[in-house]
Amino acid sequence: KAGVTQTPRYLIKTRGQQVTLSCSPISGHRSVSWYQQTPGQGLQFLFEYFSETQRNKGNFPGRFSGRQFSNSRSEMNVSTLELGDSALYLCASSSSDYTEAFFGQGTRLTVV
Amino acid sequence: DAKTTQPPSMDCAEGRAANLPCNHSTISGNEYVYWYRQIHSQGPQYIIHGLKNNETNEMASLIITEDRKSSTLILPHATLRDTAVYYCIVRGYNAGNMLTFGGGTRLMVKP
Repeated sequence: KAGVTQTPRYLIKTRGQQVTLSCSPISGHRSVSWYQQTPGQGLQFLFEYFSETQRNKGNFPGRFSGRQFSNSRSEMNVSTLELGDSALYLCASSSSDYTEAFFGQGTRLTVV
Repeated sequence: DAKTTQPPSMDCAEGRAANLPCNHSTISGNEYVYWYRQIHSQGPQYIIHGLKNNETNEMASLIITEDRKSSTLILPHATLRDTAVYYCIVRGYNAGNMLTFGGGTRLMVKP
């Protein structure tokens, strides 16, 4: 069974640009969550999607958004990039509530 | 979600048991304790979870105190590949699949 796939693995963007990251969950998993990891703030929850609906949202500005498609694949978008958005962005999928989450390898975003 | 407290770092000799403590004194009756670990620059990996009974799987054992205010993750025979940051997470009943990570414990397994 294929794991959680995140693309791209590495990305370099310029301040002010926008970026879209993609996450393909494990087949059959309906829940996809996104996290941001930085050295200063650690692992922080961004949002969760379940059956195409955003179910939970972390404390991030509106520049961070996401969506989930009918095949459970998810994308997150960051607009008007800032230097502080440089981070490892992780996606996790779960088959249902209160089961274990499986994480992808992440997308490392560098904003210059 | 209940807040968790973990020591920032621990050392363990290879082949010995690693016992990682976690305090969650404000846990509610329907909240589960989850453990994940993150090996450098990889995505976190699920280890084990439990409600109030002790749990064991092929990776580890989870011991939860009777009052549920603390727990211990036990890696019975630590190897160098177990060097990682270990996160103890209390998962709220209405939190869906949202995980709230704290600082974790950086476990260093030494030869």
